[in-house]
Amino acid sequence: QKEVEQNSGPLSVPEGAIASLNCTYSDRGSQSFFWYRQYSGKSPELIMFIYSNGDKEDGRFTAQLNKASQYVSLLIRDSQPSDSATYLCAVRQGGYQKVTFGIGTKLQVIP
Amino acid sequence: DAGVIQSPRHEVTEMGQEVTLRCKPISGHDYLFWYRQTMMRGLELLIYFNNNVPIDDSGMPEDRFSAKMPNASFSTLKIQPSEPRDSAVYFCASSLDRVGSYEQYFGPGTRLTVT
Repeated sequence: QKEVEQNSGPLSVPEGAIASLNCTYSDRGSQSFFWYRQYSGKSPELIMFIYSNGDKEDGRFTAQLNKASQYVSLLIRDSQPSDSATYLCAVRQGGYQKVTFGIGTKLQVIP
Repeated sequence: DAGVIQSPRHEVTEMGQEVTLRCKPISGHDYLFWYRQTMMRGLELLIYFNNNVPIDDSGMPEDRFSAKMPNASFSTLKIQPSEPRDSAVYFCASSLDRVGSYEQYFGPGTRLTVT
C-alpha cells in the first residue's frame, strides 16, 4: 500500500464548477498536509497546507482534513481553465521535515 | 531572491556515462531535498540534507547514485554509471527550519534522458 494515495485522473470539470480532489494516507502519525500545484513542464508550488481537523479556506481553495478517516481533500470553487494542472497531495510525519507525495491528480477545466 | 537554481536544465547522455546535477538552494534555507519524478512513480524523495549534513538517503535507488553538499549554497547529485531507467526529471528543493513552516521551494528541475 502506498503511503499517500491519489487518483491520477484526469478529472474533468466544466468552467465555473467545483473541483474536488481527494487524498488518503496510511500513517496515523502524520501531522501536516499539503497541496502542491504543478503545471505541465513546471515545478510544484505550494497552494495550501492544513494541520488541524476541519476546513481551511483561502480564496477559491478549501482544504479539508479528517484525521480519523486519514483523508485530505482540496476543493476548488469557480474552477477556471488556468486551474488545469496536476495537484499533488503531500504528507509530513511528525518530527521530520521530509514529506511524502502522492502521484498527483490531473485536473482539466473545460471552458 | 532568485529561488532554487538547478543546472543543467536538460541533459542527454549515453548509458554508462557519468551525470552530475547541480543545485543552489535559496539563501538561508536549512534543508535541501533531491527528488526524482516519473509518470509511473510520481515524485520520490531521494535524499535530504540539514545544514549540509545528509539526514535520510533511504530513497537513493542504489550505489550508482550519490549526493553531496559541500557548503550551504551548493549540492550535487551524481549518477555513475547512468542507465536508461534513470531517465526522469530531477528536482532540488529547499526549505527553512521554522516550526509551523514546512513549505518546500522547488527548482525548475533537470530533465535527464539516458539513451
